[in-house]
Amino acid sequence: DQQVKQNSPSLSVQEGRISILNCDYTNSMFDYFLWYKKYPAEGPTFLISISSIKDKNEDGRFTVFLNKSAKHLSLHIVPSQPGDSAVYFCAAENSGGSNYKLTFGKGTLLTVNP
Amino acid sequence: DSGVTQTPKHLITATGQRVTLRCSPRSGDLSVYWYQQSLDQGLQFLIQYYNGEERAKGNILERFSAQQFPDLHSELNLSSLELGDSALYFCASSSRTAGELFFGEGSRLTVL
Repeated sequence: DQQVKQNSPSLSVQEGRISILNCDYTNSMFDYFLWYKKYPAEGPTFLISISSIKDKNEDGRFTVFLNKSAKHLSLHIVPSQPGDSAVYFCAAENSGGSNYKLTFGKGTLLTVNP
Repeated sequence: DSGVTQTPKHLITATGQRVTLRCSPRSGDLSVYWYQQSLDQGLQFLIQYYNGEERAKGNILERFSAQQFPDLHSELNLSSLELGDSALYFCASSSRTAGELFFGEGSRLTVL
């Protein structure tokens, strides 16, 4: 039972254009969402997060949107750069729980072509 | 550099064997998490320790065990290894704020 789903295994975009990565979740107890980026041979690194009390959070070229009614979030990267090419993981948690266990999706491989 | 150190980086062993993966968390972090990433799979949560005590368990096999020591480093023990145990094993730590985890570079285990 996958509680966090990233239905697109891969995405290819042109440099300078927008990259949109999508994520759906099923557990209504999730109230905090994060995106991680992973380069080959490295561990995942935190990128951006959003609390369920917000519907948008922006950090430079990265914006995360949350639609609670649809249980859907998306990560927008504008403009995309070749260095953004990586696997992006969506993660979610119930921050009111007694332990901070993140549930991850399977990831989306983003390729930004020069 | 996340501040989380994992050793070894690569490990090749045979079926039926036992291995130990080691993790040193970021300075000051009390929580340690272990995740497994297999081919075509996301990061599967295995187990969490907080200040030496087991806090949460995920999809961890009975052949696997872990512990966190008084100095806060953690070890993941994998025994009776099977081909399907080949994977990347990540350790992460946190300071218990807002759910952000800091990951090590992972230990790649290959079982032949």
